[in-house]
Amino acid sequence: AQKITQTQPGMFVQEKEAVTLDCTYDTSDQSYGLFWYKQPSSGEMIFLIYQGSYDEQNATEGRYSLNFQKARKSANLVISASQLGDSAMYFCAMRGLTGYNKLIFGAGTRLAVHP
Amino acid sequence: GAVVSQHPSWVICKSGTSVKIECRSLDFQATTMFWYRQFPKQSLMLMATSNEGSKATYEQGVEKDKFLINHASLTLSTLTVTSAHPEDSSFYICSAARRLAGGGGPYNEQFFGPGTRLTVL
Repeated sequence: AQKITQTQPGMFVQEKEAVTLDCTYDTSDQSYGLFWYKQPSSGEMIFLIYQGSYDEQNATEGRYSLNFQKARKSANLVISASQLGDSAMYFCAMRGLTGYNKLIFGAGTRLAVHP
Repeated sequence: GAVVSQHPSWVICKSGTSVKIECRSLDFQATTMFWYRQFPKQSLMLMATSNEGSKATYEQGVEKDKFLINHASLTLSTLTVTSAHPEDSSFYICSAARRLAGGGGPYNEQFFGPGTRLTVL
């Protein structure tokens, strides 16, 4: 069975500082994908970044980077130079090869960016 | 990116009535659509996986007779909450999967709709 764990219910960060949101996962699949989504108060799910299990380099997308440590089964999201608009819920998700590629989500981390 | 719409964006209904939520992929054909439910301050929980022209696959604990899913075309899936009760009040989100360009790789891209907030009185 696949499982995603986000142990930080809430995080605070000062504007312009960097913040790391933790995510660990468990799967028996050899090939899988890891995702991070942002959900603002409006409820929409905004895709941020993707890391494939066979990708050797950590994924980066603008201010977002994914610190992928396969041996430790962790896929932490790093947001650099935080902005007030980054305040939202952040979900880590995993997709395997089975079950029509369905996504399994972690519990989420609420990030608050302070001025 | 691809666009997925949901209708309605919010609905309030009386207990015992049925509510239909539509999920449409506007500019691509979706091989698979997924339905999620999200209670306040909680994560998204997958309810069912829907493939065009076939029966939906429900996750454990989800009543298929209560949450009817129809995937009539490659661009439309509907979720009907039958005989809704206050405990069914939730945020329902759909996503649509599209094959990656070139058909390569084992994965599809998945795009989320904006969600539907259901309140049952």
